[in-house]
Amino acid sequence: EVQLVESGGGLVQPGGSLRLSCAASGFTFSSYWMHWVRQAPGKGLVWVSRIHGDGSSTNYADSVQGRFTISRDNAKNTLYLQMNSLRAEDTAVYYCARSYYYDSGSYAFDIWGQGTMVTVSS
Amino acid sequence: QSVLTQPPSASGTPGQRVTISCSGSGSNIGSNTVNWYHQLPGAAPKLLIYGSSQRPSGVPDRFSGSKSGTSASLAISGLQSEDEADYYCAAWDDSLDGWVFGGGTKLTVL
Repeated sequence: EVQLVESGGGLVQPGGSLRLSCAASGFTFSSYWMHWVRQAPGKGLVWVSRIHGDGSSTNYADSVQGRFTISRDNAKNTLYLQMNSLRAEDTAVYYCARSYYYDSGSYAFDIWGQGTMVTVSS
Repeated sequence: QSVLTQPPSASGTPGQRVTISCSGSGSNIGSNTVNWYHQLPGAAPKLLIYGSSQRPSGVPDRFSGSKSGTSASLAISGLQSEDEADYYCAAWDDSLDGWVFGGGTKLTVL
């Protein structure tokens, strides 16, 4: 079964750090772009970051650039998000998602994890 | 403020046809295809439409998508109670070099 399972969320103080993990199974992990998408309580979806299948290329949303680092370990089929200098506005459910390339020439997030909650508060 | 603009709410009665709009700009919808996701309360989002108008396997043909210029639409025909969810549009933005989402539309089945 194709599956993504996030972990590592929790309560952290402003200015603190946290590392999220996303364990992938059921597919060739290294063949896909992987993403982090977050959702603040009661709010909409916001894309955070992406990483190429071989880890050679990354992109970030302006709101996290310089504070968050996306990485992957293809030997462990695991995606990571290192979050530093956390702010109250980073409080959200963080989802990892697989980006699938369809024959039509389009990418879409076809597989999502269940999410892990990050709360930044003193 | 989301880069893509969606109406915050929509509603319909069972059996009706409902459309949800998504407005963007030349750097996102105008240059790239649109994807639609739906999200039930407390659950992860699920892909509904990719490539502006294509349905992944398993998605009923009651759901259809279209795109024209810098706008896109999701249509749901034969509305059912289980369609009550939040719906999001998304597209790659060439200027931001990242994915952008709409603010979401809460669909209520009356």
